[in-house]
Amino acid sequence: SQTIHQWPATLVQPVGSPLSLECTVEGTSNPNLYWYRQAAGRGLQLLFYSVGIGQISSEVPQNLSASRPQDRQFILSSKKLLLSDSGFYLCAWSRQDLLAKNIQYFGAGTRLSVL
Amino acid sequence: AQTVTQSQPEMSVQEAETVTLSCTYDTSESDYYLFWYKQPPSRQMILVIRQEAYKQQNATENRFSVNFQKAAKSFSLKISDSQLGDAAMYFCAYMNTGFQKLVFGTGTRLLVSP
Repeated sequence: SQTIHQWPATLVQPVGSPLSLECTVEGTSNPNLYWYRQAAGRGLQLLFYSVGIGQISSEVPQNLSASRPQDRQFILSSKKLLLSDSGFYLCAWSRQDLLAKNIQYFGAGTRLSVL
Repeated sequence: AQTVTQSQPEMSVQEAETVTLSCTYDTSESDYYLFWYKQPPSRQMILVIRQEAYKQQNATENRFSVNFQKAAKSFSLKISDSQLGDAAMYFCAYMNTGFQKLVFGTGTRLLVSP
């Protein structure tokens, strides 16, 4: 069976510090990968998605970047965090084949607090 | 751009009763997918139910069913025989067929009382 792992679960960082959140998927190959952010009291907003190694698309301009160095690894980064980067970050994956039914499966998320 | 609206910030239901959560969306596409996701206190998003726009039949998953009204762009979730474990945030989401971007509503918090 497939599983998705995100870490860390909780992170408190000072303004101006760097950020690296990691997401890995097990039990499947060549997944679509996604990073979402959930601000307090809001729904999820898609930040980045990837259909393959080194292929990253950004949905919204921001202080963050994403990379996919391996097939099942997706990393969210920032060189200098802003207060507005605080939130709950969720990684998700989906299958690329036609039987996937467009279903996305989510990780447990990372709560980021920038102080 | 597509939008999803959930007009009920919070709903309450008693155990064993039925509750309906509302969702409307806006799109110019004719073929798309609609989803309901549950987010319990653990905050992990869990898929509850999925509907394909080209299917007229409403999707059902055990105690969960939807009322999909394509012309009205309405997609409500009915939870029957509510259980304490159903207490969570529920998010309605939309996806175009050509691109797997989920567009989420702002969510409805469901409270379940004994």
